[in-house]
Amino acid sequence: EPEVTQTPSHQVTQMGQEVILRCVPISNHLYFYWYRQILGQKVEFLVSFYNNEISEKSEIFDDQFSVERPDGSNFTLKIRSTKLEDSAMYFCASSAGQGRQPQHFGDGTRLSIL
Amino acid sequence: RKEVEQDPGPFNVPEGATVAFNCTYSNSASQSFFWYRQDCRKEPKLLMSVYSSGNEDGRFTAQLNRASQYISLLIRDSKLSDSATYLCVVNKANYQLIWGAGTKLIIKP
Repeated sequence: EPEVTQTPSHQVTQMGQEVILRCVPISNHLYFYWYRQILGQKVEFLVSFYNNEISEKSEIFDDQFSVERPDGSNFTLKIRSTKLEDSAMYFCASSAGQGRQPQHFGDGTRLSIL
Repeated sequence: RKEVEQDPGPFNVPEGATVAFNCTYSNSASQSFFWYRQDCRKEPKLLMSVYSSGNEDGRFTAQLNRASQYISLLIRDSKLSDSATYLCVVNKANYQLIWGAGTKLIIKP
């Protein structure tokens, strides 16, 4: 069964540094998403991406964050000048469509900011 | 009122029993509903979509009540492997998904 893959599985970074989290969505999917989940808390939507542009973003997704699809397969989340509170699991997801099309998640990247 | 609300549990249930939990949502325009399960420190995995007419997948039955704005999940003949957190997911009118905080289920032998 096709799956969403994310790298790295764990990223440890000093506060203030930039990180790039990488995702390879399912190949025939058109919609891509990033979520985060702080330990013990609920899944929070960050951003959705379609047709090479952001279609929606949440309040969390401020100027510190950016997304990119640099080639036909990768979908990246960049976090500039990381803060301690950015420590969380970051999940990438993709779907074939919106609405009733379910989203399929990658295993996540655990980001630890020191 | 929260956009998506779930009883956090935990629900402690003996193996083989039937368990049900609900999720309420605030946006009456919502059209898409899903149940995901999440194991500790793992990614959410789609359990099932929820259709207007209700749907069943093996031991799992999902129902939607639009009038009262809730969805339910019923698990029959529960297994130890059903222990997880069950996440209710509802779309906003603009297709952005809103996630509940989850209901923790513990199946005991």
